Amino acid sequence: ETGVTQSPTHLIKTRGQQVTLRCSSQSGHNTVSWYQQALGQGPQFIFQYYREEENGRGNFPPRFSGLQFPNYSSELNVNALELDDSALYLCASSSIGGGGTDTQYFGPGTRLTVL
Amino acid sequence: AQSVTQLGSHVSVSEGALVLLRCNYSSSVPPYLFWYVQYPNQGLQLLLKYTSAATLVKGINGFEAEFKKSETSFHLTKPSAHMSDAAEYFCAVTPSGGYQKVTFGIGTKLQVIP
Repeated sequence: ETGVTQSPTHLIKTRGQQVTLRCSSQSGHNTVSWYQQALGQGPQFIFQYYREEENGRGNFPPRFSGLQFPNYSSELNVNALELDDSALYLCASSSIGGGGTDTQYFGPGTRLTVL
Repeated sequence: AQSVTQLGSHVSVSEGALVLLRCNYSSSVPPYLFWYVQYPNQGLQLLLKYTSAATLVKGINGFEAEFKKSETSFHLTKPSAHMSDAAEYFCAVTPSGGYQKVTFGIGTKLQVIP
């Protein structure tokens, strides 16, 4: 069973640019959630995708958007980057239905720095 | 609505001493509760979870937590701290069913003193 992977590991962008972060879910999982973890804080929920549709969203502006693909890999896109977007971005996969445990398994994260 | 409060952003214990990390939750529906550990520059690793079965939950690395509904608490304990336990610990809550967002506390950084 493969774990959750994320790419890239680190990324540096400038204000106003756009960025795409990628996540590959754990095998057999149909749900992916994205979190933003600012320095010294707990992870904050951005949104969740279940079977390619958004299934819940946190308090983040529309310039944060996502996609989930048929193979359950996922992307997080952030437009018009701001300095405050600098954070560790975590994706977590889980399985809803079919006896899934609802436990979320996290990837190692992508460290985004906005200059 | 749901929330998590972790009391003590930093906790120091001596090697071999009891570890107690406190977590109180608020949830409008029966919750699922989790403890995660995060080592520097890494993602989150699940330590243990409560999903409405036994109230005393045992996890990895010798950790356990007890769900106390009357106190709305889910404190994490380990009888004897090891140097390798030094990390940041996050308590998290989600409504039972798990179809919605997980809400995390701000974390407790555990320091183990030799």
